[in-house]
Amino acid sequence: KAGVTQTPRYLIKTRGQQVTLSCSPISGHRSVSWYQQTPGQGLQFLFEYFSETQRNKGNFPGRFSGRQFSNSRSEMNVSTLELGDSALYLCASSLARHNTEAFFGQGTRLTVV
Amino acid sequence: QKEVEQDPGPLSVPEGAIVSLNCTYSNSAFQYFMWYRQYSRKGPELLMYTYSSGNKEDGRFTAQVDKSSKYISLFIRDSQPSDSATYLCAMSTTGNTPLVFGKGTRLSVIA
Repeated sequence: KAGVTQTPRYLIKTRGQQVTLSCSPISGHRSVSWYQQTPGQGLQFLFEYFSETQRNKGNFPGRFSGRQFSNSRSEMNVSTLELGDSALYLCASSLARHNTEAFFGQGTRLTVV
Repeated sequence: QKEVEQDPGPLSVPEGAIVSLNCTYSNSAFQYFMWYRQYSRKGPELLMYTYSSGNKEDGRFTAQVDKSSKYISLFIRDSQPSDSATYLCAMSTTGNTPLVFGKGTRLSVIA
């Protein structure tokens, strides 16, 4: 069974640009959560989608947005990139929105220059 | 004060040692307590979870929760070089509310 797949694995962008990251959950999983991981702040929750609806949202500015498609694949978008957005972006999928059964992908390493 | 505090280490121990990793938290509403292991360039992997208070054992790993002290621990017995990783604690109020993570403790087990 394939795990959570995140693409691309690495990305370099310039300040002011926008970026879209993709997450394909484990087959059959309908919940996708996104986290940002930085050395200074650790892992911080961005948002969660279940059945194409945002169920929870973390404390991030409106430049961070996401969506989920009917096949459960999810994308997150960051507009007007800032240097501080450099981070590892992780997504986790679960079958029924339960943390005890969530599996993480390997993440997308975003570097903003 | 952050909701979840975790000593970042690094922690270096000889092979075979008992490792103790700890987190403290401030939100008394937390009910689910998780421990994740994250290898370099990988995503976090769930090791164990505990609901409410008590102990849980899985092989060489034991998780403890003391809600009265708002303190959780992960013990690793007979540590191996393959246990070298960053260990993250995480908590949530219910099973489907967002996880709040500690910053992680970097562990090195030296052969």
